[in-house]
Amino acid sequence: DTAVSQTPKYLVTQMGNDKSIKCEQNLGHDTMYWYKQDSKKFLKIMFSYNNKELIINETVPNRFSPKSPDKAHLNLHINSLELGDSAVYFCASSQGAPPEAFFGQGTRLTVV
Amino acid sequence: KNQVEQSPQSLIILEGKNCTLQCNYTVSPFSNLRWYKQDTGRGPVSLTIMTFSENTKSNGRYTATLDADTKQSSLHITASQLSDSASYICVVSLDSSNTGKLIFGQGTTLQVKP
Repeated sequence: DTAVSQTPKYLVTQMGNDKSIKCEQNLGHDTMYWYKQDSKKFLKIMFSYNNKELIINETVPNRFSPKSPDKAHLNLHINSLELGDSAVYFCASSQGAPPEAFFGQGTRLTVV
Repeated sequence: KNQVEQSPQSLIILEGKNCTLQCNYTVSPFSNLRWYKQDTGRGPVSLTIMTFSENTKSNGRYTATLDADTKQSSLHITASQLSDSASYICVVSLDSSNTGKLIFGQGTTLQVKP
């Protein structure tokens, strides 16, 4: 009965590879997000989608491309991975005003 | 620049003791402020939320305060337990809409020792 689920939980890959992280929410929320948490523990928003439409894109490199096939899914595809992409990526969903974000357990990406 | 700053960066207390975490923000326009708890290896979970018109909100042993004039918030934890060991993140929302942008602080890492 997990509310927001991400896969995989851990991802180790070499520089230059392309990888995807999947996210699904069963809360019926209209809005989904991707956040990046760096080594200093700052959480920064990357993208926000509302009903499958892109709302926020926070100057993320073009190598990152979110895909929302339906409002319950928001996947993150990363091309040509770089060392600096190593971080924990969190998916979240929200509903209501003010919105409360429900987070997934995170995907720890390590680029070697 | 919209920023949220928290202090202290880390804190160690003994089980059963109280503690207070601080959050200062320069976010404008301000809609609401939320405290999240993030256990190691998990996603953040919301503890409390306050709009600009509220100055205190409790959730069990957690009590948050908000001073919208000085743009400060605190999270007070009473009678700490080992399970309180986590990062506590202050999050400010720019607007109340469902797609509103959230500004995160860097968090305070709390360790509760027996």
